[in-house]
Amino acid sequence: GAVVSQHPSRVICKSGTSVKIECRSLDFQATTMFWYRQFPKKSLMLMATSNEGSKATYEQGVEKDKFLINHASLTLSTLTVTSAHPEDSSFYICSARDGAGVGEQYFGPGTRLTVT
Amino acid sequence: KQEVTQIPAALSVPEGENLVLNCSFTDSAIYNLQWFRQDPGKGLTSLLLIQSSQREQTSGRLNASLDKSSGRSTLYIAASQPGDSATYLCAVRDSWGKLQFGAGTQVVVTP
Repeated sequence: GAVVSQHPSRVICKSGTSVKIECRSLDFQATTMFWYRQFPKKSLMLMATSNEGSKATYEQGVEKDKFLINHASLTLSTLTVTSAHPEDSSFYICSARDGAGVGEQYFGPGTRLTVT
Repeated sequence: KQEVTQIPAALSVPEGENLVLNCSFTDSAIYNLQWFRQDPGKGLTSLLLIQSSQREQTSGRLNASLDKSSGRSTLYIAASQPGDSATYLCAVRDSWGKLQFGAGTQVVVTP
């Protein structure tokens, strides 16, 4: 199957700083990438959908100025958590869709963010 | 709004027993349904994908059924092994391509 990577796998940052997470599709072109957040023992919550070359579409309740998403190429999307606070600590997972419409989504290994 | 529920939230069985995991969804207008496995601190591994027109999918010891009209899917894992211990998530996809996940069933298989 197709491979999606994320970097870093875990990051610790101080409150008030910003942190960037990268999501790459390694062997296919991803027209659409998704960013999810997962709380302990909870389901994945879709944060936003990004299409290459256009602005991301955020889900209700997700602050777009806090969670900046850039999808500059068909193989790379980035999520920047700006002015991070301890409540932003979570597990962030990206996924990439192979093709348009309802092609299969492939998931990255996730990034554990801890804000101290 | 689509809601996906997984019951039970946690399950512990002795090695060798069959596992039965349930997933229900409120809106039957789905494109497909997918079962994933997630190990602690890791991403998702796709196990089975059932298209809305299909009734079941099988892969090795895994079998997933889908009854779209009643909004239910069941994942069966035969002859469970300790290596099957993980959290199992189901997700339904709508016609726009969005996935809606359940909260998962945490499975422990004891040797």
